[in-house]
Amino acid sequence: GNSVTQMEGPVTLSEEAFLTINCTYTATGYPSLFWYVQYPGEGLQLLLKATKADDKGSNKGFEATYRKETTSFHLEKGSVQVSDSAVYFCALTQTYGGSQGNLIFGKGTKLSVKP
Amino acid sequence: GAGVSQSPRYKVAKRGQDVALRCDPISGHVSLFWYQQALGQGPEFLTYFQNEAQLDKSGLPSDRFFAERPEGSVSTLKIQRTQQEDSAVYLCASSLGDFREQYFGPGTRLTVT
Repeated sequence: GNSVTQMEGPVTLSEEAFLTINCTYTATGYPSLFWYVQYPGEGLQLLLKATKADDKGSNKGFEATYRKETTSFHLEKGSVQVSDSAVYFCALTQTYGGSQGNLIFGKGTKLSVKP
Repeated sequence: GAGVSQSPRYKVAKRGQDVALRCDPISGHVSLFWYQQALGQGPEFLTYFQNEAQLDKSGLPSDRFFAERPEGSVSTLKIQRTQQEDSAVYLCASSLGDFREQYFGPGTRLTVT
């Protein structure tokens, strides 16, 4: 079945450090891929998405590229800020086969950025 | 505008009690999803509505779980005879339609003692 595997946390970085959170997926067909973020005390928010191979999603300085050959969608940011401290979830949705777009999530990676 | 709201935000139930969790989606959103998020895990799909029709309930873990959306707006997730393993955060999300961006509510944290 479809699944998402992301690196376990927590991840602790100093401000302005480079961030990578690895995400790989297993899916039939051509899923759409997402990164969601959950800030402390808030609901899940869509951070970025990519709907086909080689697409790059970007938002708020974060980027992720849909790599079909490696079934990966790693999240990167060149210089993290304290305000980026949150839990990050990689997710996918099938785009065929009776699916209506329900999301399949990884377990989440908690990021803490220290000043 | 108003986002997705859920109530109550926190619920403590004794084992065996019935609970009802409410979701108010964004006005005009056709699609509504329920997810269950256990501690330290990612959300897992429970059920999906398109307007008032429940089109997918494949993720409901047992027949103690029941969801409805009678007028195609507010939805209620009901859990009968709660068990400790039901303790989790229950998330509701709505969207304009299939495969459109899902907007999540803050969740209801259910603790079964």
